[in-house]
Amino acid sequence: NAGVTQTPKFQVLKTGQSMTLQCAQDMNHEYMSWYRQDPGMGLRLIHYSVGAGITDQGEVPNGYNVSRSTTEDFPLRLLSAAPSQTSVYFCASSYSLSRTGNEQFFGPGTRLTVL
Amino acid sequence: GESVGLHLPTLSVQEGDNSIINCAYSNSASDYFIWYKQESGKGPQFIIDIRSNMDKRQGQRVTVLLNKTVKHLSLQIAATQPGDSAVYFCAVALGYNNNDMRFGAGTRLTVKP
Repeated sequence: NAGVTQTPKFQVLKTGQSMTLQCAQDMNHEYMSWYRQDPGMGLRLIHYSVGAGITDQGEVPNGYNVSRSTTEDFPLRLLSAAPSQTSVYFCASSYSLSRTGNEQFFGPGTRLTVL
Repeated sequence: GESVGLHLPTLSVQEGDNSIINCAYSNSASDYFIWYKQESGKGPQFIIDIRSNMDKRQGQRVTVLLNKTVKHLSLQIAATQPGDSAVYFCAVALGYNNNDMRFGAGTRLTVKP
């Protein structure tokens, strides 16, 4: 198993550009989520999905869109990049969060800089 | 809503000593709590979790304690090793089926040889 994979690893955008961060998992997990991590801070939830076709907003959803057309993939789209979106982005997946011991697996992250 | 905070941003311990990392949360309805370890340049790694119907849960060299009365969570690491050096985050899951998760800011643990 590859686990959770994210592409690209690094990206530089200009203000106003759009792009899609890719996330895929091969563990047949129902639950997938996107977080951002700013320097010296914990992770903040952007969007999450509890299964194909179902998405919901997290703590900081503005400026981001998601879709979940398959169980495996959960792309994050930046509609019009802003310098405030400079951050490290992590994708994560798990079977669900309803049961104790249900580990959430994180990808290696995408470091995004918006100029 | 929910806010999650840690008492100390940094913690330095001697190799072999026990480490205790603390976390406070604000929402008394929070039901599910997780500790993560993050090494430099990597994504967080699950350590241990606990539900609100428990006070204590043990893993390999780690113990999580939950005090719902004061809304406090702690992670104890026994016989701390240099490989334990990392940033540790507590996370609190909100919402039905615990799908909305909030993280604390993290405690950087440094283990001195």
